[in-house]
Amino acid sequence: SQTIHQWPATLVQPVGSPLSLECTVEGTSNPNLYWYRQAAGRGLQLLFYSVGIGQISSEVPQNLSASRPQDRQFILSSKKLLLSDSGFYLCAWGWGRNPVWAMNTEAFFGQGTRLTVV
Amino acid sequence: AQSVTQLDSQVPVFEEAPVELRCNYSSSVSVYLFWYVQYPNQGLQLLLKYLSGSTLVKGINGFEAEFNKSQTSFHLRKPSVHISDTAEYFCAVSKASGTYKYIFGTGTRLKVLA
Repeated sequence: SQTIHQWPATLVQPVGSPLSLECTVEGTSNPNLYWYRQAAGRGLQLLFYSVGIGQISSEVPQNLSASRPQDRQFILSSKKLLLSDSGFYLCAWGWGRNPVWAMNTEAFFGQGTRLTVV
Repeated sequence: AQSVTQLDSQVPVFEEAPVELRCNYSSSVSVYLFWYVQYPNQGLQLLLKYLSGSTLVKGINGFEAEFNKSQTSFHLRKPSVHISDTAEYFCAVSKASGTYKYIFGTGTRLKVLA
């Protein structure tokens, strides 16, 4: 079976410090990978998605970046955090566009990271 | 581009009463539709999905949703709610072809009252 791991669960960082959040998926290959941010009252905002190693699409220009150094690893980074970067960050994976797996079309989420920038 | 509107930010309902959480979407192409549930400080869990075929889809925990193409809606319903259904519910859409990208609504907080 497939599992997704996201860490850390909570993080308190000072303004101006760097950030690295990691997400890994097990039990599948070549997944689509996603980073979302959830802020109070704003739902889930898609930040980045990736359809393969080194392929990153950015949805919202901001203080964050993403990388996919390995097939099942997705990293969210920042060089200098802002107060506005606080929020709940969720990693997700999906099967990708394959008609053989047409029934498996949803995204599967990790448990999230609560980031507080102080 | 696709978008999702969840009209109600909060819905209070008494235990054992029925509930409907509303979701409207916008898209110029065919879409897949999803409802997810989120409990406090946790990730999202899929409740149900519409891909094609029957417009009434049944999911886990007694929830169901009806796809209405003419009204571009995908409302979530449950005939009798329990205290344990208290959570945040998100509607999401993705294109039915091309790269999967999931666009979420702003969520509806369901509070079940005793």
